[in-house]
Amino acid sequence: DAGITQSPRHKVTETGTPVTLRCHQTENHRYMYWYRQDPGHGLRLIHYSYGVKDTDKGEVSDGYSVSRSKTEDFLLTLESATSSQTSVYFCAITSGQGVFYEQYFGPGTRLTVT
Amino acid sequence: RKEVEQDPGPFNVPEGATVAFNCTYSNSASQSFFWYRQDCRKEPKLLMSVYSSGNEDGRFTAQLNRASQYISLLIRDSKLSDSATYLCVVNGEDSSYKLIFGSGTRLLVRP
Repeated sequence: DAGITQSPRHKVTETGTPVTLRCHQTENHRYMYWYRQDPGHGLRLIHYSYGVKDTDKGEVSDGYSVSRSKTEDFLLTLESATSSQTSVYFCAITSGQGVFYEQYFGPGTRLTVT
Repeated sequence: RKEVEQDPGPFNVPEGATVAFNCTYSNSASQSFFWYRQDCRKEPKLLMSVYSSGNEDGRFTAQLNRASQYISLLIRDSKLSDSATYLCVVNGEDSSYKLIFGSGTRLLVRP
């Protein structure tokens, strides 16, 4: 258990509304990530953070923004949710360094956009 | 070509069987390799890290062939509880510890 929690765990929202998902970690890890998982696509990186206020885009960042004002919290925002953003969202942290590292995941948020 | 490719399965095997999954990756410079296990509607969980030619953990053996750019996972004496999707994972290209995931291989172990 890497001490990662996500909230909410489930959310149903309407197209066009803003949505914020929260990832919280308790072990002071520097690197944090947001992924989405869809059938047939596996896990795809949305955004990641390498420190407080330091973030960068992943491969599927369009329509998403992130913020990290504290080490322990990494927020993912859908400014105007679309049906294509219906997915399961996982937060992750990296533990270790160099080539000897491992990534651990939170329990996920299941988002449905109607 | 996908960066990490896996046979999606499903592999349907009886309890006690030995089953092997293969995975190929496209970036010859990759240095870190992992197998994750994911149960239905749950988060991926790290099963094994593969940092050299291979390693073993109980009934699980992972092997790495850098020349051919493939990784394998062998499960011996399969248990019902091994039923899950197994994800092959390789490090991304920069220093931000990003990972690239295969789509997974589904394993069903039957009584």
